[in-house]
Amino acid sequence: AQKITQTQPGMFVQEKEAVTLDCTYDTSDQSYGLFWYKQPSSGEMIFLIYQGSYDEQNATEGRYSLNFQKARKSANLVISASQLGDSAMYFCAMTFTDKLIFGTGTRLQVFP
Amino acid sequence: NAGVTQTPKFRILKIGQSMTLQCAQDMNHNYMYWYRQDPGMGLKLIYYSVGAGITDKGEVPNGYNVSRSTTEDFPLRLELAAPSQTSVYFCASTYDPQAGGTDTQYFGPGTRLTVL
Repeated sequence: AQKITQTQPGMFVQEKEAVTLDCTYDTSDQSYGLFWYKQPSSGEMIFLIYQGSYDEQNATEGRYSLNFQKARKSANLVISASQLGDSAMYFCAMTFTDKLIFGTGTRLQVFP
Repeated sequence: NAGVTQTPKFRILKIGQSMTLQCAQDMNHNYMYWYRQDPGMGLKLIYYSVGAGITDKGEVPNGYNVSRSTTEDFPLRLELAAPSQTSVYFCASTYDPQAGGTDTQYFGPGTRLTVL
């Protein structure tokens, strides 16, 4: 069965430093997509970045990059130059067939 | 273009009461989803729909029902509310769940439901 695992309940990072949030997944499908979402304290879900299973290059969106290691089934999010506004919950998610399933999330706190 | 809208924003129910959470999107998306998010947890899929007239169960469908009579609307019905259904409910929609990129899932603002 498909499964998404985020093993870091919480992470701390100093402002302007880089941080990596871990995500591993399990699927027997060949075609799938991997997403990262940010959920600030206000509660809305904000799309950050997407990686398709057939994409050979790692996805990047501004300060966000996705370290995709297909053989290891990992899709870690790297945030460069952290900002105080990056403090939030971060969810890894995976599509398979018609559905999107989520991991349990990592709470990131950025301190000055 | 309003995106995905949900009503109400907040609701308190007594045990055994029923209610319908409304969800609408104006992007002509075929795929629509209902999730629940318990405190400190991730989102769990309740039901989803791949088009008008077609619905299917997700990970946690018990205690809920859905219908999809139009492309725009996807209401979620709670028949006999229980304290275990206290949660934040998100509705989402997308054109193609496998397309990714900018064609990701669009989320509504959520409905915070408390069952006492």
